[in-house]
Amino acid sequence: NAGVTQTPKFRVLKTGQSMTLLCAQDMNHEYMYWYRQDPGMGLRLIHYSVGEGTTAKGEVPDGYNVSRLKKQNFLLGLESAAPSQTSVYFCASSYFGGAWTEAFFGQGTRLTVV
Amino acid sequence: AQRVTQPEKLLSVFKGAPVELKCNYSYSGSPELFWYVQYSRQRLQLLLRHISRESIKGFTADLNKGETSFHLKKPFAQEEDSAMYYCALKETSGSRLTFGEGTQLTVNP
Repeated sequence: NAGVTQTPKFRVLKTGQSMTLLCAQDMNHEYMYWYRQDPGMGLRLIHYSVGEGTTAKGEVPDGYNVSRLKKQNFLLGLESAAPSQTSVYFCASSYFGGAWTEAFFGQGTRLTVV
Repeated sequence: AQRVTQPEKLLSVFKGAPVELKCNYSYSGSPELFWYVQYSRQRLQLLLRHISRESIKGFTADLNKGETSFHLKKPFAQEEDSAMYYCALKETSGSRLTFGEGTQLTVNP
């Protein structure tokens, strides 16, 4: 049981390049999230999804797009990378459990944009 | 809009001393609150939920709706408690999960 797996673990991009981060979960969770982690700013929600085929904007969605074509996968795309998008990206998934909800996290993707 | 604030970015205590990590929130409804922890080189993981009202690894947290706070406490800190701690709020009828800025706790020997 792998849980939540993020691909790739590390990446260096040049300004203007595009890339897609893949998040896969094998727990049949409905909800999936993408966060970025920056020093002093904690985890900020980029986009999230409440089910296959649905997505919603979080706190910092600009410059990112997402897709949830399959329930187990949540893709985060950067169309034209900028140095401000240098960060550690975390994916998470959770079941619908109300106040008993527990989010499970991936190991993170460290992205550097030069 | 929901918001979570952790006023202390860094907190350093000695082993055996009490520790309190502060968390304040703003939310128009009845909140669902959590503490998550990230140990060095490990994934972020759930520490405790406000609804369970249990002690995990000696940590407890009480929801104070009057002060809109959910502070994390432990009476006697241990070196293995050194980690990054995040307070999180989930909207009652939805799925949006919002985190605070995090507090890096260091427990010195």
